[in-house]
Amino acid sequence: RKEVEQDPGPFNVPEGATVAFNCTYSNSASQSFFWYRQDCRKEPKLLMSVYSSGNEDGRFTAQLNRASQYISLLIRDSKLSDSATYLCVVRGDYKLSFGAGTTVTVRA
Amino acid sequence: NAGVTQTPKFQVLKTGQSMTLQCAQDMNHNSMYWYRQDPGMGLRLIYYSASEGTTDKGEVPNGYNVSRLNKREFSLRLESAAPSQTSVYFCASSQRDREWEKLFFGSGTQLSVL
Repeated sequence: RKEVEQDPGPFNVPEGATVAFNCTYSNSASQSFFWYRQDCRKEPKLLMSVYSSGNEDGRFTAQLNRASQYISLLIRDSKLSDSATYLCVVRGDYKLSFGAGTTVTVRA
Repeated sequence: NAGVTQTPKFQVLKTGQSMTLQCAQDMNHNSMYWYRQDPGMGLRLIYYSASEGTTDKGEVPNGYNVSRLNKREFSLRLESAAPSQTSVYFCASSQRDREWEKLFFGSGTQLSVL
């Protein structure tokens, strides 16, 4: 079983829509959680950390559910520029595990 | 601000050839990493260097060697390239202690081994 699993998508949504997707992780001792964004053929960039109580950064909301071992990312009022692959990253003991990514395509 | 710079951007090798991927960062980070990214898989750690003078194996080190030349530079060498090493390679850096999980990546090297 992969340490971090994501629905690869693609999630095709119109501009202005809300899109949400999850990531599950297998190690219950995982300590920290992150979402990275990767544009096509570019390097990954940190989007946001995920805190236990949930957190927002503008139109982006991240949630953590430790009991069910998943994190989620919700994007409100989608923009064309949100089109990207979103990588779920989970920290164990001095190790980061990356999901394969969820692709989101926002259409005009 | 250059951040993390890696070269080359593209490379085609024949099986058995060798090459070195170069990486440099100007953020005064202690830790540096080499990852590979393959379709349908998450980034996998090849080697990392927690500080100048130290290197350690990651998940998939076989077929690779690294050198932490100084605090800024961390190179990855393929001694005898194999088709299984066809991949996109990313160098990254981070602070060693606080927020070491927040990685800054280079722009990647697309490597094809024929």
